[in-house]
Amino acid sequence: SQQGEEDPQALSIQEGENATMNCSYKTSINNLQWYRQNSGRGLVHLILIRSNEREKHSGRLRVTLDTSKKSSSLLITASRAADTASYFCALQSVGSGNTGKLIFGQGTTLQVKP
Amino acid sequence: DGGITQSPKYLFRKEGQNVTLSCEQNLNHDAMYWYRQDPGQGLRLIYYSQIVNDFQKGDIAEGYSVSREKKESFPLTVTSAQKNPTAFYLCASRSGNGDTIYFGEGSWLTVV
Repeated sequence: SQQGEEDPQALSIQEGENATMNCSYKTSINNLQWYRQNSGRGLVHLILIRSNEREKHSGRLRVTLDTSKKSSSLLITASRAADTASYFCALQSVGSGNTGKLIFGQGTTLQVKP
Repeated sequence: DGGITQSPKYLFRKEGQNVTLSCEQNLNHDAMYWYRQDPGQGLRLIYYSQIVNDFQKGDIAEGYSVSREKKESFPLTVTSAQKNPTAFYLCASRSGNGDTIYFGEGSWLTVV
């Protein structure tokens, strides 16, 4: 399967702690994107990392990509209750060309306790 | 405001009935997509369109149909041939030169 696989499926932490979510995949990719979804809502784009990049930062978010291990991680530092949501990795495979098609993982549900 | 508008937010379908979900974007994006999300799951691609008057099947196109008569609009019809249509449907779009995919707020479809 080309599908991204996320780990853990669920994560519960205290406010102020860091949260790390991992995504593994099996195909060659052009880029990998991370999204957040609040319950019953649409997806919000967080960050995109290209296959030739190893790390990107955006505010309290840090994403790493290891193409040799076919894995990515999303780190949220100093978490807040408002970070409670589901987080998805989505990859654009080399085989998808320029179609923009995304392959999604099943997501990690993060709960941040105040 | 620029964005992707999906309507209705909630829709109920009777057995044997076709229903159409609307997706409109004012981002001037070339490509548009429809995804389906089942509870606790990731998204799966139903159909996509990279240009007006052209669209392609995704991974789970059976029981669905689309049209792309205008750049800003990409409606999805859930036909009676779709045996398990209860799900959350998400529309997305992308500019021609970009990699980032932007999503609408989604539509809930329930069979009654």
